[in-house]
Amino acid sequence: DAGVIQSPRHEVTEMGQEVTLRCKPISGHDYLFWYRQTMMRGLELLIYFNNNVPIDDSGMPEDRFSAKMPNASFSTLKIQPSEPRDSAVYFCASSLGWSGTGFYEQYFGPGTRLTVT
Amino acid sequence: GENVEQHPSTLSVQEGDSAVIKCTYSDSASNYFPWYKQELGKRPQLIIDIRSNVGEKKDQRIAVTLNKTAKHFSLHITETQPEDSAVYFCAASRVGGYNKLIFGAGTRLAVHP
Repeated sequence: DAGVIQSPRHEVTEMGQEVTLRCKPISGHDYLFWYRQTMMRGLELLIYFNNNVPIDDSGMPEDRFSAKMPNASFSTLKIQPSEPRDSAVYFCASSLGWSGTGFYEQYFGPGTRLTVT
Repeated sequence: GENVEQHPSTLSVQEGDSAVIKCTYSDSASNYFPWYKQELGKRPQLIIDIRSNVGEKKDQRIAVTLNKTAKHFSLHITETQPEDSAVYFCAASRVGGYNKLIFGAGTRLAVHP
């Protein structure tokens, strides 16, 4: 398996523009997570899905952020309009669920480095 | 909700020394505690995890201990090597938490030759 795939790997955009980040989870995984990483705030969970359904979006910073998972193999994180403080590395991760005997590892994608000028 | 605190934020050791990173959690229902390693410019990767039904787990030079009463767990790296230099994150999760991980703030470990 190719692992979790994210695109683009780097994105530079101007303030006010719309940004769309993409993620393809590992085939067969039924959980998908979006994280944001900054020096100041560390690794923050933004939203996660189970079987394509959003379970918890309490980490989404504001209405400018939205996420969708139209099918089991694709998810997007959209920022509209973007602001300089959105500059960060955005990670997507996927996993199997809780098995009843334990948890499964979350596999992270390579991340998208977003710079908003 | 769950809160995970991690200490220290930075740690510098000489090659061959041991390194210890400590985390505390607030939710007594948490029962899964993974540790992730993130090398510079790379993605976080799981290095070891422990479930609440055990007190210690080892994997070669890495070990994790858990004290459920005190609600803290620690990562121990023995015989450190320069390639151990990275940021280490602890996390906690609980049954019914839909596999949601709450991460600590991270510890930047530097191993000097």
